[in-house]
Amino acid sequence: AQSVTQLDSHVSVSEGTPVLLRCNYSSSYSPSLFWYVQHPNKGLQLLLKYTSAATLVKGINGFEAEFKKSETSFHLTKPSAHMSDAAEYFCVVSPLYSSASKIIFGSGTRLSIRP
Amino acid sequence: KAGVTQTPRYLIKTRGQQVTLSCSPISGHRSVSWYQQTPGQGLQFLFEYFSETQRNKGNFPGRFSGRQFSNSRSEMNVSTLELGDSALYLCASSPTTPATNEKLFFGSGTQLSVL
Repeated sequence: AQSVTQLDSHVSVSEGTPVLLRCNYSSSYSPSLFWYVQHPNKGLQLLLKYTSAATLVKGINGFEAEFKKSETSFHLTKPSAHMSDAAEYFCVVSPLYSSASKIIFGSGTRLSIRP
Repeated sequence: KAGVTQTPRYLIKTRGQQVTLSCSPISGHRSVSWYQQTPGQGLQFLFEYFSETQRNKGNFPGRFSGRQFSNSRSEMNVSTLELGDSALYLCASSPTTPATNEKLFFGSGTQLSVL
C-alpha cells in the first residue's frame, strides 16, 4: 500500500527567503516520487521526479528535492522564493513505472510569498 | 507543440442534468487519463484510456463514464449530476503506451459547478 502526507497545508515565506515544503511517503515497494505545481486556474505542471536514480533531484525554476529513504521523506526546497512561486504544490507517489491509475496525490500545500 | 486541451474551461449545470467534457491530448500521445480535484477529497483518479480501450477505472459510481476516439481524443460523461460532482476535472496525456506515471502532461482542466 502507498500513501503520501504533506505536512503543511499552507506555507508563507518572504520573497528572497528559502522555501521548504515537506512531504512524507509510505510505500511497500520502490516508489516513484514527484512534485507538481498548480497555479490558479491552471493544470498541474511537473516540477521534478525521483525514479531510483540520484537521490538529490533538480527540477525547474530552481526547485530541488532530496529522497531520504531512512526518513521516508521527499521535501521540496528552493534557496530563494520569488513572487511567481505562489501556487499550490502537490507531492505524488506511485510504484516505479506503473500505470497512471496508481498515482497517489498528497493533499497539497499552498505556498504564499510575502513582498 | 500544443499542450493538452480541455474544453470547455467552465461549466455550470443543475442537479439531475448530464455533462460531457472533452480532452485533446498532445499530438502523438495515445494515452489519456482523467482526474477529479475537489477541496475535500483532493485529486482522485477516474479513468485511463489507451487505443480506445479503458485500461483502468477509479472508485467512482457508474454515473461517471468515458470513451476515447480513434484520434486519441477523449470524453468523459457524468449523468444525473449531484452537488458533490462540482470539481475541477483534469485530463492528462502520456507518450508511453499505456500511460506511466513518469510522463504525464496535464491540461488546465474543466471547472464544473453543479447548482
